[in-house]
Amino acid sequence: EAQVTQNPRYLITVTGKKLTVTCSQNMNHEYMSWYRQDPGLGLRQIYYSMNVEVTDKGDVPEGYKVSRKEKRNFPLILESPSPNQTSLYFCASGDSVYEQFFGPGTRLTVL
Amino acid sequence: SQKIEQNSEALNIQEGKTATLTCNYTNYSPAYLQWYRQDPGRGPVFLLLIRENEKEKRKERLKVTFDTTLKQSLFHITASQPADSATYLCALDSGSNYQLIWGAGTKLIIKP
Repeated sequence: EAQVTQNPRYLITVTGKKLTVTCSQNMNHEYMSWYRQDPGLGLRQIYYSMNVEVTDKGDVPEGYKVSRKEKRNFPLILESPSPNQTSLYFCASGDSVYEQFFGPGTRLTVL
Repeated sequence: SQKIEQNSEALNIQEGKTATLTCNYTNYSPAYLQWYRQDPGRGPVFLLLIRENEKEKRKERLKVTFDTTLKQSLFHITASQPADSATYLCALDSGSNYQLIWGAGTKLIIKP
């Protein structure tokens, strides 16, 4: 089944404790992206990747890191999480920015 | 900068009627515009893409129009069903090949 998977789905952590949210896709897509979604706001892009080893900042990259060592994986790293990073996070992939396939989301709470 | 406006109030529609959702943008006309569906606690699902040179696009009970003069896209669901209840997101190109501008979405409730 074609899909984008994210782990964990839910995470409660404390300020400053490094964490990684994994994202994997099995559709051989070149484009991958991370978004955060907050109530009343549209999806905001954190980082995106056009292909292996090629990444770039989105609209809200501060406090996040990414890497794209393999085509299928695009992990999101929060090196020192803060409460303002409490949000719902989505990973997406696609042949391009058109018709993106989204993962199920990761709900992160930073205390 | 480009902004998208979608009605933040929920839209309540009686089952069987046509639901119409609006996406307005403020600045330049995008080369294309996309509509996605999002169910509570789940990721958005792509529905339709319409390009600036297309006036209308259809997919089963869905229809999207794109009016560059009014700077508006309308999303229609005909013969609506309770299963159509969801939040619908509008997204348009930002001028970059790798980024979209997203609306906050409109919640659609179809009542039996």
